[in-house]
Order: sequence, then C-alpha cells, then structure tokens
Amino acid sequence: GQNIDQPTEMTATEGAIVQINCTYQTSGFNGLFWYQQHAGEAPTFLSYNVLDGLEEKGRFSSFLSRSKGYSYLLLKELQMKDSASYLCAVRVKGYSTLTFGKGTMLLVSP
Amino acid sequence: DVKVTQSSRYLVKRTGEKVFLECVQDMDHENMFWYRQDPGLGLRLIYFSYDVKMKEKGDIPEGYSVSREKKERFSLILESASTNQTSMYLCASSFSPGGNEKLFFGSGTQLSVL
Repeated sequence: GQNIDQPTEMTATEGAIVQINCTYQTSGFNGLFWYQQHAGEAPTFLSYNVLDGLEEKGRFSSFLSRSKGYSYLLLKELQMKDSASYLCAVRVKGYSTLTFGKGTMLLVSP
Repeated sequence: DVKVTQSSRYLVKRTGEKVFLECVQDMDHENMFWYRQDPGLGLRLIYFSYDVKMKEKGDIPEGYSVSREKKERFSLILESASTNQTSMYLCASSFSPGGNEKLFFGSGTQLSVL
C-alpha cells in the first residue's frame, strides 16, 4: 500500500510565500500530483511531477525528490483566493489510479 | 474543457434504500473512478473502470457496486444504504494510456443517509 503525509492546516498572509510539504512511502512510484480544492467544489489539477526537480507554473511550483519520497508545493504572492485545500496524490506503476493524502487546508489572511 | 457531470448535488436517502449515483463524462475517457471524501480521511477510492463493462475494486469497495454499460457513464450503487455511507461522493475520469493521466472531477454528490 501507500502512505502519504501532509500537514492538516497551514496559515499564511496575503502576498507571502508558503510551502506545503508531502511525504510518501510507496512501491513502484510513477508520478505525484497536486490538486487544489475550494470548499464545496471539485478538486482541480495543479501540477504533475515524475522526475526529480522543480516544475514551475506561474505563481505555483512543485518539487519532487524520489530518493527522499518528498514533494512540496510552493505558492508565491499569495492571494485570498488561494485559501483552499491542497491535495497530494501518488500514482503507482501499472495503475491509473491515484492515492490521495488527507489534504492540507490553507487559510490566507489579509 | 472536459466536463464530468454528476446527476445530483445533494441527495437524502433512508437506511436500507437502494441508491444510484450517476456520472457522465464528455471527453471519451477510458478511465472512470468513484471516490468518497470524508473530513479527516481525505479522498478514498471505491471503484474504478478501465473500459466498458470492466470494473476494479478500489480501497473501500464494501457496500458498493458499480456499472459501466457505456463508455461515458459510470454508476455507483449502494445496494442497501447505511448511515456510515453518508459522505461526499466524487466521480472522476482520465485518459489512458500512461503519462500525465490527470483526473478530472465532477462537482460531487453530498449524500446523507438517515
């Protein structure tokens, strides 16, 4: 099976930078996804990493270290609308399914 | 844009009732999934399907069944609803094969079993 850990809650201030960490233990790792979910809405795709390194997409970046079983999502220039739950998910080789962590609730305050 | 549509946003059922949750996607995706989402537990996979008439158990299939008679439609069935099945149910689809198979989610069905 897989084990995915991420902090339950984080708070940050508008305009700041926040890093949300995700650690995982799995056999046959084949990709890590980050999703954003606003309250009462469906999760939406943010980023995908399968190789080590940093993937940058506008204000959001995602990093992966396969040897350490570690990823983080970096959000820059935080806006109030970034208040949401951020879900880390792992895919295992040979399967199209994703296993999700419990999510990190981010609250951005003025 | 990919659209995944779930038939009901809110549903209230009685214990013991048979419940059908319907999901339709419009992008010809091979893979479809049913998750439930509960506070403190996150998203957990119930069942998934790689193709028409194919189904695979996820992590928590007990008390559920599924049906995929057409490629675009994936139904979740609660044969005899129980209170512990009160949850948010999310349907998702993805394209196959391999690579960046990101999931596209529907808006969810909040099911309350009384």
